[in-house]
Amino acid sequence: GESVGLHLPTLSVQEGDNSIINCAYSNSASDYFIWYKQESGKGPQFIIDIRSNMDKRQGQRVTVLLNKTVKHLSLQIAATQPGDSAVYFCAEILYSSASKIIFGSGTRLSIRP
Amino acid sequence: SQTIHQWPATLVQPVGSPLSLECTVEGTSNPNLYWYRQAAGRGLQLLFYSVGIGQISSEVPQNLSASRPQDRQFILSSKKLLLSDSGFYLCAWGRGRANYGYTFGSGTRLTVV
Repeated sequence: GESVGLHLPTLSVQEGDNSIINCAYSNSASDYFIWYKQESGKGPQFIIDIRSNMDKRQGQRVTVLLNKTVKHLSLQIAATQPGDSAVYFCAEILYSSASKIIFGSGTRLSIRP
Repeated sequence: SQTIHQWPATLVQPVGSPLSLECTVEGTSNPNLYWYRQAAGRGLQLLFYSVGIGQISSEVPQNLSASRPQDRQFILSSKKLLLSDSGFYLCAWGRGRANYGYTFGSGTRLTVV
């Protein structure tokens, strides 16, 4: 669900290692999910998406996994680079509810050199 | 291609003054439009959404209002700002289906003093 009032947790990863960012979503009926990357002072940028009828989708260096049984999303980033430092948010969309974008808990990814 | 514009990028306003933030979308018609607020280091809270001209839905009670005078224009307003209105305001648009995506503007940093 929304984490509006919570301070964001931090994940620290060594440069070159793989990162796994997890997210719990709130509505088992959600149709579509997106991972966003937000750099300081900027709006969220689309990274990768997945429909509810899929359980895995791969992009360039990123993979999203969807586990509908436990309402869990994960974002895997391969060979993490300094430019990957940002806050990552998952989002769920329910088409029957005006397709509102509801954000899950964000995670701040920090890269160690 | 579709683009979304938000302005101004930063704004400092005294308590009790009015507010008007504007968001416009280009390259599409009849988009769903959304206003979000983000406190420093926190998640994104949905404030308003609109599925058509003149159609505004409010997600949380607050000191703000929204209007959609034209198909691709979404305005966030206040008659009298409060200190608690400070934050990062983001506009987003979507088409209600995954293949069109959901895109955010670059945001407005509002500081109420």
